[in-house]
Amino acid sequence: SAVISQKPSRDICQRGTSLTIQCQVDSQVTMMFWYRQQPGQSLTLIATANQGSEATYESGFVIDKFPISRPNLTFSTLTVSNMSPEDSSIYLCSVGGGVSDTQYFGPGTRLTVL
Amino acid sequence: QKEVEQNSGPLSVPEGAIASLNCTYSDRGSQSFFWYRQYSGKSPELIMSIYSNGDKEDGRFTAQLNKASQYVSLLIRDSQPSDSATYLCAVITNDYKLSFGAGTTVTVRA
Repeated sequence: SAVISQKPSRDICQRGTSLTIQCQVDSQVTMMFWYRQQPGQSLTLIATANQGSEATYESGFVIDKFPISRPNLTFSTLTVSNMSPEDSSIYLCSVGGGVSDTQYFGPGTRLTVL
Repeated sequence: QKEVEQNSGPLSVPEGAIASLNCTYSDRGSQSFFWYRQYSGKSPELIMSIYSNGDKEDGRFTAQLNKASQYVSLLIRDSQPSDSATYLCAVITNDYKLSFGAGTTVTVRA
């Protein structure tokens, strides 16, 4: 499976600021995804990061709040904009997908918003 | 109705016992099913995938799938304290996205 890294691993931010999270994969992958895991909850898909086009967002998530870039097949960023304490979560990128492809997860970014 | 539902936990089992985890899903067209293990503070780690009806064994883990009943389960035999974690059932829905259950927390008592 691909080796996935995320930066930063954790951060503490002030409300109203923005944080950009990076996801780097050691091989080219077609599908990259961003998830949020709120404290004590399961994973919720934020969006699918598409190479060369806009990300596809799930219901309840919008581009203005969570802009995503996918400049190539090994890298993506997720920005959490105008943060509030409700954005305190673990943000995870994953790769893989499709009908039977397995998804593998990066180590996650633990975000705390004060 | 949630797309993926898991039996409520937490589940506590003695060391050496069998832990049984259950999951149901709503999309009858789903074809791919996964179990992830997540240790506290860590990201999910794939432990099993299953695509066909029946049992699939990998070491101490056995996944069982029954598409007619829309049911998938995970058995952990000879449970060890290192198996203490949250187990997430995940299903690829008909729009090729991975949908997760709420997770079942397992504690193995030494």
